[in-house]
Amino acid sequence: QQQVKQSPQSLIVQKGGISIINCAYENTAFDYFPWYQQFPGKGPALLIAIRPDVSEKKEGRFTISFNKSAKQFSLHIMDSQPGDSATYFCAASLNSGYSTLTFGKGTMLLVSP
Amino acid sequence: KAGVTQTPRYLIKTRGQQVTLSCSPISGHRSVSWYQQTPGQGLQFLFEYFSETQRNKGNFPGRFSGRQFSNSRSEMNVSTLELGDSALYLCASTVGQGNSPLHFGNGTRLTVT
Repeated sequence: QQQVKQSPQSLIVQKGGISIINCAYENTAFDYFPWYQQFPGKGPALLIAIRPDVSEKKEGRFTISFNKSAKQFSLHIMDSQPGDSATYFCAASLNSGYSTLTFGKGTMLLVSP
Repeated sequence: KAGVTQTPRYLIKTRGQQVTLSCSPISGHRSVSWYQQTPGQGLQFLFEYFSETQRNKGNFPGRFSGRQFSNSRSEMNVSTLELGDSALYLCASTVGQGNSPLHFGNGTRLTVT
């Protein structure tokens, strides 16, 4: 049972464009939703995270939008750069265990120059 | 501050053997979690240790075990290796209390032949 569904599997965006990755979750008890960025040969690195008491959180070019009623959240990368080319994972966890993350399957983003 | 350190980076083992992977968390972090990453299943939670005690456990067979030492360093052991155990094994650490994010190491790439 996949508790966090992520789409698309891969994405190609032109430099300067907006990259959008979507995730949907099933467990309404989830209350922490981080996004991780992973480069080849490296471990995932925390990019930005949100809790369901806010609908949007922005950090630089990265924005999370959260829709609690639809049980969906998304990552927007504004002004996408070739250096953003990486695999992005959404995740979710319960408040009692931020170490116990349920991950989406990942989105491979390629930003073309 | 040094990040999460995992050793070794690469391992090749034969089916039926056992293997031990090591993880040193970020200084001051008392919680260590382990994740398995494969192309097919993505990132899956194995277990979490906090103050030398297993606090959470994922849905993996008993061949997968771990422990944590008094200095918060952790080891993960896989016995009777199977071909399907080939994966990137990621260790992550966090303070362990409150809303502290998870920080990942670069992983140990295990290949079972």
